[in-house]
Amino acid sequence: GQNIDQPTEMTATEGAIVQINCTYQTSGFNGLFWYQQHAGEAPTFLSYNVLDGLEEKGRFSSFLSRSKGYSYLLLKELQMKDSASYLCAVRDDYKLSFGAGTTVTVRA
Amino acid sequence: DARVTQTPRHKVTEMGQEVTMRCQPILGHNTVFWYRQTMMQGLELLAYFRNRAPLDDSGMPKDRFSAEMPDATLATLKIQPSEPRDSAVYFCASGWTGPNTEAFFGQGTRLTVV
Repeated sequence: GQNIDQPTEMTATEGAIVQINCTYQTSGFNGLFWYQQHAGEAPTFLSYNVLDGLEEKGRFSSFLSRSKGYSYLLLKELQMKDSASYLCAVRDDYKLSFGAGTTVTVRA
Repeated sequence: DARVTQTPRHKVTEMGQEVTMRCQPILGHNTVFWYRQTMMQGLELLAYFRNRAPLDDSGMPKDRFSAEMPDATLATLKIQPSEPRDSAVYFCASGWTGPNTEAFFGQGTRLTVV
């Protein structure tokens, strides 16, 4: 099975940086995904890591350490539209399991 | 614009009634997931299909839930009989097998059982 932990809530100021941590325990590992979900909408894909290190995509970056079972999503130059839930998901052979999500609130 | 299509978007039904939710995966995708999302439990995997074959439905209450893929363009999730605790948003997602392949989510069906 899989156990995925991430903080419940985070608050930050517009223009700032926020880092959302995710720790996981899994019987198999075939990639870690981050999704964004706005209230009342479907999750949308943000990033994918399967090897250790940092993946950068514009204002969003994601880091993975497989030996530590740890990932983080870094959101830079926060904008009001970044207020959403951020979901960490781990894939074993095929199953994509999600953490409970971190609600990020961006304040002006 | 390829997308996963789910119908209906909203469903209100009485306890004991049958509910059928439908999903059209993105053309060419060979994997389909059904998830249920509630405030308390987050996103729970109910069922997983690969090449239309059910590989995992361990997350589904077997006595009342069933999932099928009658063809490559349609996946269904049925609840019979429905109960108030089934009230949730049900998401379908599709993708390809293989590394670095994300799942694409439909807009979900918001089910309310009264």
